[in-house]
Amino acid sequence: DIVMTQTPLSLSVTPGQPASISCKSSQSLLYSDGQTYLYWYLQKPGQPPQLLIYGVFNRFSGVPDRFSGSGSGTDFTLEISRVEPEDVGIYYCMQSIQVPRTFGQGTKLEIE
Amino acid sequence: QVQLQESGPGLVKPSQTLSLTCTVSGDSIRRGRDNWSWIRQPAGRGLEWIGRLYAGGNTDYNPSVKSRVSISADTANNRFSLKMSSVTAADTAVYYCAREHSNGQHWLVFDYWGQGTLVSVSS
Repeated sequence: DIVMTQTPLSLSVTPGQPASISCKSSQSLLYSDGQTYLYWYLQKPGQPPQLLIYGVFNRFSGVPDRFSGSGSGTDFTLEISRVEPEDVGIYYCMQSIQVPRTFGQGTKLEIE
Repeated sequence: QVQLQESGPGLVKPSQTLSLTCTVSGDSIRRGRDNWSWIRQPAGRGLEWIGRLYAGGNTDYNPSVKSRVSISADTANNRFSLKMSSVTAADTAVYYCAREHSNGQHWLVFDYWGQGTLVSVSS
């Protein structure tokens, strides 16, 4: 299985300040079709996860542009340019290049 | 608007079979650009992918549960089901169903989720 490792596991951010989460995969997520199968999700308290980013850097419909994804191969980053109170929750990266799909451990974002 | 809704018993006895159904609206489970997955989350823990049903009816399973799991389609009612046999307390979790969708350029993996259903394994 591909192991997804996120850092940090938690972070506390003042509203309006940026935040960054790293995700590293144990194998390259670049497929032969040229696409990289790395996704980011946010799970708000008491809710199912919601898709934020697909294919490393593509924002899903309705996701604010303060969220951005970057990276390649095995190293990826989710950045929030200006954290807002509604961004609290647990962020997960996930790979879908291989079965089984595997998620990172999650990064808990709290507001200071 | 695509919606998914899980249903099934909230309590299952150890060694018995867990059975859940995901009813889909706003999409067809037999549409060629979509696949359908089950994912679970033990309380306070991370996400584990269980397996998926392809639009054509084939399946993939997580090796961690493959010997105990079956996912099948009920096309007449536009729903798909999860069966997990020989359950133990370790199978206690919130179970989600979710969609994988191709927009022709990208796979939007798990773009829609059900609200989740808690299944407890206890005697």
